[in-house]
Formats: sequence, C-alpha cells, structure tokens
Amino acid sequence: NAGVTQTPKFRVLKTGQSMTLLCAQDMNHEYMYWYRQDPGMGLRLIHYSVGEGTTAKGEVPDGYNVSRLKKQNFLLGLESAAPSQTSVYFCASSYISGGAEETQYFGPGTRLLVL
Amino acid sequence: KNEVEQSPQNLTAQEGEFITINCSYSVGISALHWLQQHPGGGIVSLFMLSSGKKKHGRLIATINIQEKHSSLHITASHPRDSAVYICAVTKGGGGADGLTFGKGTHLIIQP
Repeated sequence: NAGVTQTPKFRVLKTGQSMTLLCAQDMNHEYMYWYRQDPGMGLRLIHYSVGEGTTAKGEVPDGYNVSRLKKQNFLLGLESAAPSQTSVYFCASSYISGGAEETQYFGPGTRLLVL
Repeated sequence: KNEVEQSPQNLTAQEGEFITINCSYSVGISALHWLQQHPGGGIVSLFMLSSGKKKHGRLIATINIQEKHSSLHITASHPRDSAVYICAVTKGGGGADGLTFGKGTHLIIQP
C-alpha cells in the first residue's frame, strides 16, 4: 500500500494564479483532512471530509476550496493564490473503529511558495 | 491562549539521557496524539491515547485526564530520536473534526 500520497511535492506560484493539490489514499479511509504548517504557528486545519461527497470548514478555510468526489481522493484548490498561502500543506486520513476515530495517517507534504 | 501547549519548545540532550516532553490542553478531548516529524518533513503518529499509559519500544506516553496533561518520555535517547515532537488533541465528542495541535518540541540528541 502507498498509504497517503500528495501531488505535487513542490510548487511555485505567482500571486493570483490558481492550482489544485491532490491527496490520495489507498486505505479505504472515511475521513480526510487538509492541514497547513507554518513556522511558529504549528499545524492548522483547513478543510476536512467525513465521507465521499461531504466537506466541512476547519480553522483556516479562507482562500481555499475542497472537493471529495471519490472516497480515495481529496482535492485542495487555491483559486487566486496569495503570498500568505506560502506554506507546507499536509493531507491526512483516518478511519472509524468502535464508533471512534482512529489515528491519522499523514502524506509527505506539499511545499508551496507564492511569489 | 492556545488550546494545546507544549514544553519545552526546544530541548538539547546527550545520548542516553531520559527525555520528557510535556503537553497541556484546555479543552475537552476524546483522544490525545503524539506525532513525530523528522527533518525531512514527514509526520508519523506515535501514540493515540485517551487514558493511562502506552509504551512502544523506548517511547512511553502518559495522560492524566483530570489534570489535562500528557507526557512523552524517551528512554536511552539516541541521535536518531532527534525530531520535532507534536502533541495534538481530538476535541470532545469523538467526531471527525480534525486535530488541534501544539506548536511542537524540537529535540536534538547529541552523540
């Protein structure tokens, strides 16, 4: 199993450009998450999904959109990139066991630089 | 005030020392997680616990629900333990609302 994969690994954008980050998991997990990690701020939740076709806002959702059309994929979109969105983006997934969420599995991260 | 606080922020120790990293939280939780992030950037889950104590190899995690406090211990520390250790919580209710993270503890073990 590949676990959680993210595409691309690194990207440079100009202000105003758009892009989509792809997260894929092959563990049949119900839950998927997008986090961003910034120096001095720690990891923060952007959006999440509790199942195919569902999404919800996290702590810092502004400037991002997400979609989960297939259970194994969770896409994060930036419609008009801003320098404040320069960050490392992590995707994670998890599953339910005994009615409670189990541990999260993280992807390798995507480094995004917005100029 | 952050909902999850870790201490210390930075810790340098000699190989073989016993290491303790602390985590305090101010919200109701259904679980507490300890994660490890190596310099390459990947994040790995070490422990998820809701009560008591868990042990895996040289790592031990404890939680005191009444005091809203958890500790991560590393026995016989080794340079390969050098990493950022992150405490995170799943807030009460057990729903899939994502994790709330501390800012991490940067640990360096010198040979």
